[in-house]
Amino acid sequence: DAMVIQNPRYQVTQFGKPVTLSCSQTLNHNVMYWYQQKSSQAPKLLFHYYDKDFNNEADTPDNFQSRRPNTSFCFLDIRSPGLGDAAMYLCATSSKRGRVYQETQYFGPGTRLLVL
Amino acid sequence: GQQLNQSPQSMFIQEGEDVSMNCTSSSIFNTWLWYKQDPGEGPVLLIALYKAGELTSNGRLTAQFGITRKDSFLNISASIPSDVGIYFCAGQTSGSRLTFGEGTQLTVNP
Repeated sequence: DAMVIQNPRYQVTQFGKPVTLSCSQTLNHNVMYWYQQKSSQAPKLLFHYYDKDFNNEADTPDNFQSRRPNTSFCFLDIRSPGLGDAAMYLCATSSKRGRVYQETQYFGPGTRLLVL
Repeated sequence: GQQLNQSPQSMFIQEGEDVSMNCTSSSIFNTWLWYKQDPGEGPVLLIALYKAGELTSNGRLTAQFGITRKDSFLNISASIPSDVGIYFCAGQTSGSRLTFGEGTQLTVNP
Protein backbone atom coordinates (compact mmCIF):
# COMPACT_ATOMS: atom_id res chain seq x y z
CA ASP A 1 0.00 0.00 0.00
CA ALA A 2 1.18 3.51 -0.78
CA MET A 3 2.03 5.28 2.44
CA VAL A 4 4.00 7.80 4.46
CA ILE A 5 6.60 6.21 6.72
CA GLN A 6 8.38 7.85 9.64
CA ASN A 7 11.38 6.50 11.49
CA PRO A 8 11.96 6.12 14.28
CA ARG A 9 8.55 6.18 15.97
CA TYR A 10 10.18 7.22 19.24
CA GLN A 11 13.41 9.18 19.60
CA VAL A 12 15.18 10.13 22.81
CA THR A 13 17.92 12.73 22.68
CA GLN A 14 19.89 14.82 25.09
CA PHE A 15 19.55 18.55 25.56
CA GLY A 16 21.66 20.22 22.87
CA LYS A 17 22.51 17.01 20.99
CA PRO A 18 21.61 17.18 17.27
CA VAL A 19 18.92 14.79 16.14
CA THR A 20 17.52 13.83 12.74
CA LEU A 21 14.07 12.48 12.03
CA SER A 22 13.26 10.84 8.74
CA CYS A 23 10.24 10.52 6.49
CA SER A 24 9.74 8.52 3.33
CA GLN A 25 6.76 8.17 1.04
CA THR A 26 5.63 5.80 -1.68
CA LEU A 27 2.83 8.06 -2.91
CA ASN A 28 5.10 9.82 -5.41
CA HIS A 29 3.86 13.16 -4.11
CA ASN A 30 5.95 16.20 -4.95
CA VAL A 31 5.12 18.13 -1.76
CA MET A 32 6.33 17.07 1.69
CA TYR A 33 5.58 18.83 4.98
CA TRP A 34 6.91 18.77 8.52
CA TYR A 35 4.62 19.60 11.43
CA GLN A 36 5.23 19.88 15.15
CA GLN A 37 2.41 18.79 17.44
CA LYS A 38 2.41 19.31 21.18
CA SER A 39 0.04 17.57 23.54
CA SER A 40 -3.64 18.39 23.06
CA GLN A 41 -2.85 20.88 20.30
CA ALA A 42 -3.35 20.97 16.55
CA PRO A 43 -0.36 20.27 14.28
CA LYS A 44 1.78 23.35 13.58
CA LEU A 45 3.44 23.63 10.18
CA LEU A 46 7.23 24.10 10.32
CA PHE A 47 8.06 24.05 6.60
CA HIS A 48 7.39 22.25 3.35
CA TYR A 49 9.15 21.27 0.16
CA TYR A 50 7.62 21.55 -3.29
CA ASP A 51 10.04 19.29 -5.18
CA LYS A 52 13.38 20.81 -4.10
CA ASP A 53 11.90 24.24 -3.41
CA PHE A 54 12.05 24.84 0.36
CA ASN A 55 9.30 26.95 2.00
CA ASN A 56 9.89 27.96 5.60
CA GLU A 57 7.15 29.25 7.90
CA ALA A 58 7.92 32.69 9.29
CA ASP A 59 7.81 31.60 12.91
CA THR A 60 9.85 28.39 12.58
CA PRO A 61 12.99 28.68 14.73
CA ASP A 62 16.38 28.51 13.02
CA ASN A 63 17.09 25.48 15.19
CA PHE A 64 14.91 23.47 12.79
CA GLN A 65 16.29 22.59 9.37
CA SER A 66 15.21 20.22 6.65
CA ARG A 67 16.69 18.30 3.75
CA ARG A 68 15.03 16.59 0.84
CA PRO A 69 17.61 14.58 -1.13
CA ASN A 70 15.04 13.06 -3.50
CA THR A 71 11.29 12.79 -4.09
CA SER A 72 10.80 9.97 -1.62
CA PHE A 73 12.75 11.16 1.42
CA CYS A 74 12.67 14.20 3.66
CA PHE A 75 14.60 14.82 6.89
CA LEU A 76 14.02 17.08 9.86
CA ASP A 77 17.19 18.19 11.63
CA ILE A 78 17.03 19.76 15.06
CA ARG A 79 20.45 21.29 15.60
CA SER A 80 20.33 21.87 19.36
CA PRO A 81 17.19 20.40 20.90
CA GLY A 82 15.79 22.15 23.92
CA LEU A 83 13.29 20.84 26.44
CA GLY A 84 10.59 22.81 24.65
CA ASP A 85 11.19 20.87 21.44
CA ALA A 86 9.81 17.68 22.93
CA ALA A 87 6.77 16.93 20.79
CA MET A 88 5.30 14.70 18.13
CA TYR A 89 6.76 15.47 14.70
CA LEU A 90 4.50 14.66 11.78
CA CYS A 91 5.42 14.32 8.13
CA ALA A 92 2.75 14.77 5.48
CA THR A 93 2.59 14.70 1.69
CA SER A 94 0.40 16.10 -1.04
CA SER A 95 0.70 16.78 -4.73
CA LYS A 96 0.96 19.97 -6.75
CA ARG A 97 0.25 20.24 -10.46
CA GLY A 98 1.40 23.47 -11.99
CA ARG A 99 0.30 26.24 -9.64
CA VAL A 100 -2.41 24.19 -7.95
CA TYR A 101 -1.85 22.29 -4.72
CA GLN A 102 -3.98 19.23 -4.21
CA GLU A 103 -5.46 20.04 -0.88
CA THR A 104 -5.57 16.58 0.64
CA GLN A 105 -2.58 15.93 2.87
CA TYR A 106 -1.68 12.44 4.00
CA PHE A 107 0.13 12.10 7.30
CA GLY A 108 2.68 9.62 8.56
CA PRO A 109 2.38 8.01 12.01
CA GLY A 110 4.71 10.56 13.59
CA THR A 111 7.90 10.47 15.64
CA ARG A 112 7.61 11.29 19.30
CA LEU A 113 10.71 13.15 20.46
CA LEU A 114 11.79 13.19 24.07
CA VAL A 115 14.54 15.58 25.17
CA LEU A 116 16.38 14.73 28.38
CA GLY B 1 -4.41 35.02 9.94
CA GLN B 2 -7.15 32.52 9.36
CA GLN B 3 -8.62 30.77 12.37
CA LEU B 4 -10.97 27.88 12.77
CA ASN B 5 -13.25 27.54 15.77
CA GLN B 6 -13.96 23.88 16.42
CA SER B 7 -16.59 22.77 18.88
CA PRO B 8 -17.14 21.12 21.16
CA GLN B 9 -13.65 20.76 22.66
CA SER B 10 -14.59 17.43 24.19
CA MET B 11 -17.51 15.02 24.22
CA PHE B 12 -18.37 12.12 26.50
CA ILE B 13 -21.04 9.85 25.05
CA GLN B 14 -22.49 6.38 25.43
CA GLU B 15 -21.89 3.71 22.84
CA GLY B 16 -24.61 3.80 20.21
CA GLU B 17 -25.24 7.53 20.44
CA ASP B 18 -24.86 9.87 17.51
CA VAL B 19 -22.20 12.61 17.59
CA SER B 20 -21.96 15.96 15.89
CA MET B 21 -19.07 18.41 15.81
CA ASN B 22 -18.45 21.49 13.72
CA CYS B 23 -15.97 24.09 12.61
CA THR B 24 -16.61 27.71 11.76
CA SER B 25 -14.43 30.44 10.37
CA SER B 26 -14.62 34.10 9.50
CA SER B 27 -12.74 33.27 6.29
CA ILE B 28 -13.80 31.35 3.21
CA PHE B 29 -12.18 28.02 2.46
CA ASN B 30 -12.10 26.08 -0.81
CA THR B 31 -11.61 22.71 0.86
CA TRP B 32 -12.60 21.21 4.19
CA LEU B 33 -10.92 18.11 5.56
CA TRP B 34 -11.76 16.00 8.58
CA TYR B 35 -9.05 13.94 10.30
CA LYS B 36 -9.07 11.52 13.23
CA GLN B 37 -6.01 11.09 15.40
CA ASP B 38 -5.50 8.18 17.78
CA PRO B 39 -3.08 8.54 20.71
CA GLY B 40 0.53 8.31 19.54
CA GLU B 41 -0.42 8.20 15.86
CA GLY B 42 -0.63 10.65 12.99
CA PRO B 43 -3.92 12.13 11.77
CA VAL B 44 -5.85 9.90 9.38
CA LEU B 45 -7.99 11.50 6.71
CA LEU B 46 -11.68 10.65 7.14
CA ILE B 47 -13.48 12.85 4.64
CA ALA B 48 -12.47 15.54 2.12
CA LEU B 49 -14.97 18.14 0.89
CA TYR B 50 -14.32 20.24 -2.19
CA LYS B 51 -17.57 22.02 -3.07
CA ALA B 52 -19.85 24.33 -1.12
CA GLY B 53 -22.97 22.44 -0.07
CA GLU B 54 -21.31 19.05 -0.62
CA LEU B 55 -22.51 16.27 1.68
CA THR B 56 -20.25 13.22 1.81
CA SER B 57 -20.49 9.97 3.74
CA ASN B 58 -17.86 7.43 4.72
CA GLY B 59 -19.54 4.53 6.51
CA ARG B 60 -21.05 5.91 9.71
CA LEU B 61 -19.46 9.30 9.13
CA THR B 62 -21.13 12.16 7.28
CA ALA B 63 -19.63 15.58 6.67
CA GLN B 64 -20.91 18.69 4.94
CA PHE B 65 -19.22 21.70 3.39
CA GLY B 66 -21.26 24.73 4.44
CA ILE B 67 -22.97 26.72 1.73
CA THR B 68 -21.24 29.91 2.88
CA ARG B 69 -17.86 28.08 2.65
CA LYS B 70 -17.13 29.24 6.19
CA ASP B 71 -18.19 26.15 8.09
CA SER B 72 -18.35 22.38 8.08
CA PHE B 73 -19.77 19.69 10.32
CA LEU B 74 -19.01 16.04 10.96
CA ASN B 75 -21.59 13.55 12.20
CA ILE B 76 -20.86 10.08 13.54
CA SER B 77 -23.83 7.77 13.82
CA ALA B 78 -24.18 4.84 16.22
CA SER B 79 -20.84 5.44 17.93
CA ILE B 80 -18.63 2.52 18.94
CA PRO B 81 -15.67 2.38 21.35
CA SER B 82 -13.09 2.57 18.54
CA ASP B 83 -14.43 6.01 17.58
CA VAL B 84 -12.48 7.34 20.56
CA GLY B 85 -9.84 9.87 19.54
CA ILE B 86 -9.30 13.48 18.59
CA TYR B 87 -11.09 14.78 15.52
CA PHE B 88 -9.59 17.74 13.66
CA CYS B 89 -11.15 19.83 10.97
CA ALA B 90 -8.84 21.59 8.52
CA GLY B 91 -9.56 24.21 5.90
CA GLN B 92 -7.56 25.27 2.91
CA THR B 93 -7.75 28.10 0.41
CA SER B 94 -5.64 28.08 -2.73
CA GLY B 95 -2.25 27.64 -1.17
CA SER B 96 -0.58 24.68 0.44
CA ARG B 97 -1.16 25.58 4.06
CA LEU B 98 -3.87 23.84 6.07
CA THR B 99 -5.57 25.74 8.87
CA PHE B 100 -6.47 23.32 11.65
CA GLY B 101 -9.18 23.53 14.24
CA GLU B 102 -8.19 22.87 17.84
CA GLY B 103 -9.69 19.41 17.85
CA THR B 104 -12.61 17.62 19.48
CA GLN B 105 -11.69 14.91 22.00
CA LEU B 106 -14.28 12.14 21.78
CA THR B 107 -14.77 9.59 24.56
CA VAL B 108 -17.19 6.70 24.05
CA ASN B 109 -18.33 4.78 27.11
CA PRO B 110 -19.20 1.14 26.41
